[in-house]
Amino acid sequence: AQSVTQPDIHITVSEGASLELRCNYSYGATPYLFWYVQSPGQGLQLLLKYFSGDTLVQGIKGFEAEFKRSQSSFNLRKPSVHWSDAAEYFCAVGVGGSTLGRLYFGRGTQLTVWP
Amino acid sequence: DSGVTQTPKHLITATGQRVTLRCSPRSGDLSVYWYQQSLDQGLQFLIQYYNGEERAKGNILERFSAQQFPDLHSELNLSSLELGDSALYFCASSAPGGANVLTFGAGSRLTVL
Repeated sequence: AQSVTQPDIHITVSEGASLELRCNYSYGATPYLFWYVQSPGQGLQLLLKYFSGDTLVQGIKGFEAEFKRSQSSFNLRKPSVHWSDAAEYFCAVGVGGSTLGRLYFGRGTQLTVWP
Repeated sequence: DSGVTQTPKHLITATGQRVTLRCSPRSGDLSVYWYQQSLDQGLQFLIQYYNGEERAKGNILERFSAQQFPDLHSELNLSSLELGDSALYFCASSAPGGANVLTFGAGSRLTVL
């Protein structure tokens, strides 16, 4: 069965520091991979996605993520965090076929940014 | 504004009651998805519709039902509500051939007292 693990429930970083949020997935084939961000009282906004091709993908707001098949990972990175990046981040895996569009989400990582 | 509209934003009701949540997808999107976000379960897929037809069903309780209308808006009906149904309910939509790229609405927060 498909599953997504985000090992870090809460991460605190200082503004300007680099960031890496971890995501591991379990799926038998090559999945579609996503990172979403949720600010308080807001819906989920897509940061970036991986379907195929280059394993390093660029997203909005200066985020990037790298797909590593051997490690079943899709970690999110940002070289310099801004205070406005404080939010909850969700990794998700999508499967194709008749269930196109169904996403399996991790439990999320809450990011706190110190000024 | 994501283009996916959900109403109401907040809803408080009592156990045993029935509520209806409404979702209007982005213009041109044919698929609508419903997700439930709770502290216990995280984000759980409930159900997907494509152009009026049910496409996939997830962890949706029998007390819950949904439909997608000819104008493509969707409604999620929750009945015989229990305290544990308190959650944030998200609707999302995707374009034809959109390959899992979901756009989410802001959600409807349901509180059952």
